[in-house]
Amino acid sequence: NAGVTQTPKFQVLKTGQSMTLQCAQDMNHNSMYWYRQDPGMGLRLIYYSASEGTTDKGEVPNGYNVSRLNKREFSLRLESAAPSQTSVYFCASSDGGHRYTEAFFGQGTRLTVV
Amino acid sequence: GNSVTQMEGPVTLSEEAFLTINCTYTATGYPSLFWYVQYPGEGLQLLLKATKADDKGSNKGFEATYRKETTSFHLEKGSVQVSDSAVYFCALSTSTTGNQFYFGTGTSLTVIP
Repeated sequence: NAGVTQTPKFQVLKTGQSMTLQCAQDMNHNSMYWYRQDPGMGLRLIYYSASEGTTDKGEVPNGYNVSRLNKREFSLRLESAAPSQTSVYFCASSDGGHRYTEAFFGQGTRLTVV
Repeated sequence: GNSVTQMEGPVTLSEEAFLTINCTYTATGYPSLFWYVQYPGEGLQLLLKATKADDKGSNKGFEATYRKETTSFHLEKGSVQVSDSAVYFCALSTSTTGNQFYFGTGTSLTVIP
């Protein structure tokens, strides 16, 4: 049981390049999330998807787009990368619909924009 | 709104010392509360949770009690080990659409032999 799988694990981009971070979960969860983690800032929600077919902005959505491809997959796209997007990105999933279910996290993608 | 405030780090303790990491929250509605742990280079893992007032979550010697009157969920461990060195995040979730999670900024713990 793999849980939440993110690819790639590491990536270096040049300013202005685009890329897509992939995330898949095998727990049949309804809700999926993208966070970024920066020193001293904790985890900040970029986008989330409450259920298949829906997506909503989180705290820091600017510069990002997402696609909930199906129930398993939730991708994050950077259309034109900027140095301010250098961060560690985490995908997470949860059963959703209940406040007492926890989130499960992937291993993270460490992105550097130069 | 919803937010979590946890004590600033880093925290350095000697092995077998007592650990407390403070966490307070504000929430609309009735939240569930969580502690997550992140080891170097890894994602976050659930350490423990509590879903209603006065509940105590516990795991691996760690404990935290949901205190609604003080809006707190402090993490404690009676005797820390070197292997407990990690970053600890307090979090809450609400019953809003999508079950959003709100995280504190994290507290780095280093345990020295």
